[in-house]
Parts: sequence; structure tokens; C-alpha cells
Amino acid sequence: QKEVEQDPGPLSVPEGAIVSLNCTYSNSAFQYFMWYRQYSRKGPELLMYTYSSGNKEDGRFTAQVDKSSKYISLFIRDSQPSDSATYLCAMMRGGFKTIFGAGTRLFVKA
Amino acid sequence: GAGVSQSPSNKVTEKGKDVELRCDPISGHTALYWYRQSLGQGLEFLIYFQGNSAPDKSGLPSDRFSAERTGGSVSTLTIQRTQQEDSAVYLCASSPPREDTQYFGPGTRLTVL
Repeated sequence: QKEVEQDPGPLSVPEGAIVSLNCTYSNSAFQYFMWYRQYSRKGPELLMYTYSSGNKEDGRFTAQVDKSSKYISLFIRDSQPSDSATYLCAMMRGGFKTIFGAGTRLFVKA
Repeated sequence: GAGVSQSPSNKVTEKGKDVELRCDPISGHTALYWYRQSLGQGLEFLIYFQGNSAPDKSGLPSDRFSAERTGGSVSTLTIQRTQQEDSAVYLCASSPPREDTQYFGPGTRLTVL
């Protein structure tokens, strides 16, 4: 079993929809949770960074962490075609080692 | 300012040849990471450099893989006697002092024929 599980998709939604992206994990020692966005032929870029359980909002993006269920989510409101990308969840115990999910491919149709 | 740069952007090589991949981190960043990204597999950690400390090589998949970082800046990932299973995108990232945020380069797409 992988430490971090993420549905690879693809997920296709119409413009303006609310998108929900999710990851589950098995190691309860993870404390830091991140979401990266990766456009085709580019490196990942950090979207959201959260510590422990709770919600964090940044513009149209909301990151949610539920440590009791070992489940994290990224919500995108009013999705745009420019949001079409691969979204990777990532998590850390502390230290430097980051464990990434496989990524979910998202397509937002105009 | 300039981001992380990697070269070459694409590399096609024949099985058994050696390849060198280069990473120029953001100036002032002390941490440098190499990852491998295969289709549908996510990012696989390879090696981590932090300042002048000994690198963490625990992610290198075999002794055909090695990396060095000269002068605390530029890093080179070397793959000897390449195999077809080495085909992937190799990503480099750097982090500023005392921060976890990783800034990624665009990657080198390696194809081993």
C-alpha cells in the first residue's frame, strides 16, 4: 500500500463548477500538507500549505485536512479553463522528506 | 527573479550510455532536491542536499545513479549505463533557508531507447 493515495482521474468539469480533489494517507505522523499544481511540461508549483487539521482558504482555493480520517482535500471554486492541470498532494512528517501523491489530472471545459 | 533552471530540457540516449542532467537552483537557496516523475507514479525522491552537509542519498534506486553539488549551488545528476526503465522526467527543486517550500524547475525529460 502506498503511503499516499490519489485518484489519477482524469476529472472533467464545466467552467464555473466547484472541483473537489482528494488524497488519503496511511501514516499518522504526517503533519504538513501541501497541494501543488503542475501544468503540462512544467515543474510543480506550490498552491497551498497547511499544518495539522483544519481549513485554509486562498482566493478560489480551499485546503482541508482531516487528520482523524487521514484525508485531505482541495476545493476550487468557480473553476476556469486555466485551472486545467495536474494537482499533486504532498505531505511531510517534519524534516525534509516530502511524499507526493500520483496527481489528479483536471480538465475544465469552457 | 530567476527560477530553478534545468538542462537539457530533453535528452534522448541509447541504452548503456551515461547521461548528465544539470540543475541551477535559485540563488541563496541552501536545499536542493532531485526527483523522478514517471507517468502515473507521482514524484519519487532521489537525493537531498542541504548546505555543506552530507547529502541524503536514500532515494537513489541503484548505484548507477549519483549526484553532486558544487560550491553549494549547481547540481549534476549522473546516470551510468542507462536502462529503458530510467526513462522519466527528472525534476530538481530548491528551498530557501529554514523553509519547507520547494521551488521546482521545468524538468529534464529523459528517453532511453
